[in-house]
Amino acid sequence: EVQLVESGGGLVQPGGSLRLSCAASGFTFSNYWMHWVRQAPGKGLVWVSRINSDGRRTSYADSVKGRFTISRDDAKNTLYLQMNSLRAEDTAVYYCARDLGYDSFDNWGQGTLVTVSS
Amino acid sequence: QSVLTQPPSASGTPGQRVTISCSGSSSNIGSNTVNWYQQLPGTAPKLLIYSDNQRPSGVPNRFSGSKSGTSASLAISGLQSEDEADYYCAAWDDSLNGGVFGGGTKLTVL
Repeated sequence: EVQLVESGGGLVQPGGSLRLSCAASGFTFSNYWMHWVRQAPGKGLVWVSRINSDGRRTSYADSVKGRFTISRDDAKNTLYLQMNSLRAEDTAVYYCARDLGYDSFDNWGQGTLVTVSS
Repeated sequence: QSVLTQPPSASGTPGQRVTISCSGSSSNIGSNTVNWYQQLPGTAPKLLIYSDNQRPSGVPNRFSGSKSGTSASLAISGLQSEDEADYYCAAWDDSLNGGVFGGGTKLTVL
């Protein structure tokens, strides 16, 4: 069974940093592109970032470019999102998702809540 | 303001057929495939339709997707109470070099 489990969320002050992790199991992690998607409280889904299967190609939403970094460790079957210079508008539940192909996300984690507030 | 445009709400009675539209542009829907997600309250989204009109295994054939030009639609036939959820369309945008979602449509089963 495919499982994605996010961790690392929490309360952080504006300007601070957090690193999210997404532990994958039940499939060959190294074969798949992976994404981060976020959802602010009561709002819609917003795509954040993507990484290809060998980790060499990444893409970011304009709103996080230069502040967030996506990476992966295939030996640990783990996806990461390093978030720096956090702002109040980054407050959201962050989901990791597996790419089935065609940038469609066929498996999602349960999400981890990031709250940016003083 | 979302790049893809969806109606904020839709409704229907049990057994009815409802459709949800998703409007984009040449850089997203016009040149890439469309995916649809269902999000029940308090849960993670679930892939409903991928590559415009393909259903993942386990998704009932009551759900179907279509695309024409820069617009796409999700149709739900034989509406059931458990279909009450938020529905999102999504696609890759070549101009933004990023994924884009619609703002979501809240479906109410009356």
